[in-house]
Amino acid sequence: SYVLTQSPSVSVAPGKTAKITCGGNNIGGKTVHWYQQKPGQAPVLVISYDRVRPSGIPERFSGSSSGNTATLAISRVEAGDEADYYCQVWVSGTDHPVVFGGGTKLTVL
Amino acid sequence: QVQLQESGPGLMKPSETLSLTCTVSAGSVSSPNYYWTWIRQRPGKGLEWIGYFYHSGYTDYNPSLKSRVTISVDTSKNQFSLTLSSVTAADTAIYYCARDSGGSYPSFDYWGQGTLVTVSS
Repeated sequence: SYVLTQSPSVSVAPGKTAKITCGGNNIGGKTVHWYQQKPGQAPVLVISYDRVRPSGIPERFSGSSSGNTATLAISRVEAGDEADYYCQVWVSGTDHPVVFGGGTKLTVL
Repeated sequence: QVQLQESGPGLMKPSETLSLTCTVSAGSVSSPNYYWTWIRQRPGKGLEWIGYFYHSGYTDYNPSLKSRVTISVDTSKNQFSLTLSSVTAADTAIYYCARDSGGSYPSFDYWGQGTLVTVSS
C-alpha cells in the first residue's frame, strides 16, 4: 500500500519559517491535503489541493508538492502554531484509497 | 456550515461490538458525491482511515479492519454509523466522523469533535 513519510518532529524559533515535509512515491502527481491538530482537538484543514488555503487560514501557511516530496511551510511562526501536522492523499485503484502521513509535531522554541 | 457530532458507548469490553453514530447538521447524508467517513486515532498515534460510505450505497474500508467494520447511513435520522465487531484493546481510540469537500480527491473539511472509545476488561 502507499506510504506517506513525515519526520516525527520539527522545531523552530518564533518568527522563523517551519517546513514540514511529506514523502511519498511520486507524491507530486497526487493531490495533497494538510491538517493541523492541537492537543485535545479534532484536525483542522490548513492546506488543500497542494496549495489552497481554506477560508480563515492565515497567509503564513503555504503548500507545495513536486517529485517525491510535499511541503507545508509556515512563515513567521507563532506559539499558537505548535501542533501536530498530517498530510493526506487519495490513492486511486487500491484497497486503501485514503492515506495519512504519520504526523509531524511542530515545536515552537 | 456542516456540523458533525459523534455519539457512542465510551467504555467497552473485549469481544463486544462497537456502534458509533454521527449526527449531521446543516447538511444531508442524502447529498450525493460526498464521502461520509470514519477516522480514528489511537492514543499518542496518528490518524487512521477506517472507511467511508459514498452515495448509492458504495462503501470502502481499510483492509486491516475490513472483516470487522460496517459503515451505513440512516437518511431518516440524518446520521451515519460505524459498527466494529470483536473489539480488542487495540481498538481503543478517539473516533472521528468526517465529511469531505466534494469533488475529485477531496480534503476532509468537516470533522466531528471525536469520541473516545476505551476497550478494557
